Amino acid sequence: DAGITQSPRHKVTETGTPVTLRCHQTENHRYMYWYRQDPGHGLRLIHYSYGVKDTDKGEVSDGYSVSRSKTEDFLLTLESATSSQTSVYFCAISEFGLHEQYFGPGTRLTVT
Amino acid sequence: QQQVKQSPQSLIVQKGGISIINCAYENTAFDYFPWYQQFPGKGPALLIAIRPDVSEKKEGRFTISFNKSAKQFSLHIMDSQPGDSATYFCAASMDQAGTALIFGKGTTLSVSS
Repeated sequence: DAGITQSPRHKVTETGTPVTLRCHQTENHRYMYWYRQDPGHGLRLIHYSYGVKDTDKGEVSDGYSVSRSKTEDFLLTLESATSSQTSVYFCAISEFGLHEQYFGPGTRLTVT
Repeated sequence: QQQVKQSPQSLIVQKGGISIINCAYENTAFDYFPWYQQFPGKGPALLIAIRPDVSEKKEGRFTISFNKSAKQFSLHIMDSQPGDSATYFCAASMDQAGTALIFGKGTTLSVSS
């Protein structure tokens, strides 16, 4: 998984609680991404980062926020989890100037 | 439109046969087209990718065919093996670092032995 770890790998939480997912990379790649994967939808971009403290929204950003205080870490926060955010979340990284994106192992989140 | 349409949704192929998965895109600004392979419980893994300056790219048993005028590209898996059984996703993006990959909805391939 290209030097990418995600934590936790599984989480069950209740509606209305805040949740933070972590992506950690050891590749020193500039770009980091958060996608969600749902049956019938493929993978959809939530947010991405193009450098420390530089982030931007993706296709499905509502209800999510991100932060990147270090090159190696990219955090995804659900401020108040909803059942519609039950999904598998993948982090990806890419090197500056290149398009190849490499994915982490994923976090399965269940919101009850 | 940013869609990438992938077909078929599922595919059953006999061992040794050829698996073919098709994708079509709408945005003519797209110029990077990767394919990802995903096994259950794992993250997608980059399999092979093509840029529109070539019509075909081959890596081992995997070949991408690209038709720029039709805005279509396809993945061919030759001599399909049971170990190829996985979900395959096509994707597309623009030629800018950091841009999002727009994914198709995936094809579940089962190779019977």
